[in-house]
Amino acid sequence: AQRVTQPEKLLSVFKGAPVELKCNYSYSGSPELFWYVQYSRQRLQLLLRHISRESIKGFTADLNKGETSFHLKKPFAQEEDSAMYYCALHTGNQFYFGTGTSLTVIP
Amino acid sequence: NAGVTQTPKFQVLKTGQSMTLQCAQDMNHEYMSWYRQDPGMGLRLIHYSVGAGITDQGEVPNGYNVSRSTTEDFPLRLLSAAPSQTSVYFCASSSRQGRQPQHFGDGTRLSIL
Repeated sequence: AQRVTQPEKLLSVFKGAPVELKCNYSYSGSPELFWYVQYSRQRLQLLLRHISRESIKGFTADLNKGETSFHLKKPFAQEEDSAMYYCALHTGNQFYFGTGTSLTVIP
Repeated sequence: NAGVTQTPKFQVLKTGQSMTLQCAQDMNHEYMSWYRQDPGMGLRLIHYSVGAGITDQGEVPNGYNVSRSTTEDFPLRLLSAAPSQTSVYFCASSSRQGRQPQHFGDGTRLSIL
C-alpha cells in the first residue's frame, strides 16, 4: 500500500528561523513526490516536485530513498509562509496526500 | 483563463437527499479527480478519470458516482447523502494522466444534516 505520513499537524516557528516540514512515504517503486501548499483563502497549489529539484519561494525538498523521506526545508521562515502544507505521492493514476502540516510563522 | 471551476461553493443537504457537485476545467486536461478533505485526514481521492468515458475508483469511492462525458466536465454525484459525507470537496485536473501537477478548484463545502 502507498502511504504518506506527515507527523506534525501543527508547527510554529519564529520569523527568520529555519523550518522543516517532515514527510515520509511508503512505496516500493520509484516515487513521484510533491509538496502542495494552501494559503488562507486560496486554492491548493503546487509548491514543488522532486523531479524538478528546484527551489520555490526559498523552499527545497530532497528525496531520500534510504529513509523514504521528502522533507520540506527553508533556511529563513517568513510570515507569508504561514499556510497548510501537504506532501503527496503519485503512483499509477492516483495521488496520495498526507494529513497536512499547518505552519505558523510568528513575527 | 478560469482553470478549474467548482459549483456550488456551499451546500446544506438533509440526509437522504441527492445532489451533484459540478466541476469544469478549461485547460484541456485529460486527468480529473475528486477529493474530500476532512480534519486530520488530509485529502483523500474519491474518483478519478483519465479521459472522457473513463472513470475509476480512488481511496474512498463509496456513496459517490461520477461520469465523464466530456473532457471539460467531471461531476460528482451523491445519490443518498449521509452525515458522514459532510466535508470539503475538491476537484482537480492535470495533463498526462495525472503525472503533471494538479490544478485545484476552490472547493465545495458540503454539510449533511
